[in-house]
Amino acid sequence: DTAVSQTPKYLVTQMGNDKSIKCEQNLGHDTMYWYKQDSKKFLKIMFSYNNKELIINETVPNRFSPKSPDKAHLNLHINSLELGDSAVYFCASSQLGNTIYFGEGSWLTVV
Amino acid sequence: TQLLEQSPQFLSIQEGENLTVYCNSSSVFSSLQWYRQEPGEGPVLLVTVVTGGEVKKLKRLTFQFGDARKDSSLHITAAQPGDTGLYLCASLSGSARQLTFGSGTQLTVLP
Repeated sequence: DTAVSQTPKYLVTQMGNDKSIKCEQNLGHDTMYWYKQDSKKFLKIMFSYNNKELIINETVPNRFSPKSPDKAHLNLHINSLELGDSAVYFCASSQLGNTIYFGEGSWLTVV
Repeated sequence: TQLLEQSPQFLSIQEGENLTVYCNSSSVFSSLQWYRQEPGEGPVLLVTVVTGGEVKKLKRLTFQFGDARKDSSLHITAAQPGDTGLYLCASLSGSARQLTFGSGTQLTVLP
């Protein structure tokens, strides 16, 4: 069983489109995260939710909107996609303060 | 935000060689983590070091936390092609206990 699963794994879309990436964890964790990895492999936190409540919102354009319908899901919606949004987006989860488990990543390419 | 610098950025060696990668900061950490990320996958936790001067071993991998808890090193003995990957150091901080990652070392072990 995949602990943290995200879909789609690959996404190619045109500038200006709106897209969503879904994430689910089956570990019973109370905290979920979205990280972005750029072309230089640098990983940076974007958002974090604890028990469905937003607790971190780093300096991310408001075109990015996370939504957590329940503790096991944290989806990422991106409006008006730009070329610079091309990156790998990782979902992760943890029981707050403990080991963080990452999904396999979603490769977003904006053309 | 604590800045983590890793060196070298890229390392390509032959199977059987030894290597060391470094993670440095001007800040003191309560703990430091090392991750390995393989192509097409998310980062996976290798080890957490907590005490200044601590040394932890994971088979052929030896992790050391500096006495002042500002730096860490990862030494691999007799590297194998399976060790190929992106090695990331990271610190836990903030209200969500989110990870701040270093710049990464891309290791390639040639057969």
